[in-house]
Amino acid sequence: AQKITQTQPGMFVQEKEAVTLDCTYDTSDPSYGLFWYKQPSSGEMIFLIYQGSYDQQNATEGRYSLNFQKARKSANLVISASQLGDSAMYFCALNGVSGGSYIPTFGRGTSLIVHP
Amino acid sequence: GAVVSQHPSRVICKSGTSVKIECRSLDFQATTMFWYRQFPKQSLMLMATSNEGSKATYEQGVEKDKFLINHASLTLSTLTVTSAHPEDSSFYICSARRDRGKSPLHFGNGTRLTVT
Repeated sequence: AQKITQTQPGMFVQEKEAVTLDCTYDTSDPSYGLFWYKQPSSGEMIFLIYQGSYDQQNATEGRYSLNFQKARKSANLVISASQLGDSAMYFCALNGVSGGSYIPTFGRGTSLIVHP
Repeated sequence: GAVVSQHPSRVICKSGTSVKIECRSLDFQATTMFWYRQFPKQSLMLMATSNEGSKATYEQGVEKDKFLINHASLTLSTLTVTSAHPEDSSFYICSARRDRGKSPLHFGNGTRLTVT
């Protein structure tokens, strides 16, 4: 069984500052993928960043970086230089094997509010 | 690339009627599609996994006779909510993946279903 945990229901950050959104996971499969998605109030799910379990380096995409600590089973999202448009729900997801197929499991999400 | 189109974005129907939601991958072939349901301020709940040309795999607790899923081609999956009731009112969102492995999911914009 696989599990993904986001312990921060809500986070606040000042515009232009950096913020870290926590994500821990549990899986018995050595091969898996970790994703972060952003969901604005309009509802669409926007793919932000991906980290493979065998990737040697932490993933980065523009202002987004993933702090991947495999031994601790954590995959925290770091958003640098926060913008007002970053206010949204953020979901961490684990793509691991379940019943022979890769099935994504989502965390409960973290609501991020960026203050001007 | 990796655009997923979902229609309709909003639908209101009367209790007892059926509603069909379409999910199309516009610029890639989607070997696997997933259907999620999301309640307000909650995470995505996986309803079913559909692989092209085979029957959908439903998650525990999801009624397969009520939520009919068809994945007839590599670019189209449909979810039909049969004999809808007010408790079926929710946000339904599909996602598509190029393969059956660890590659990222790409989401449609979701469908807000209201059953009166």
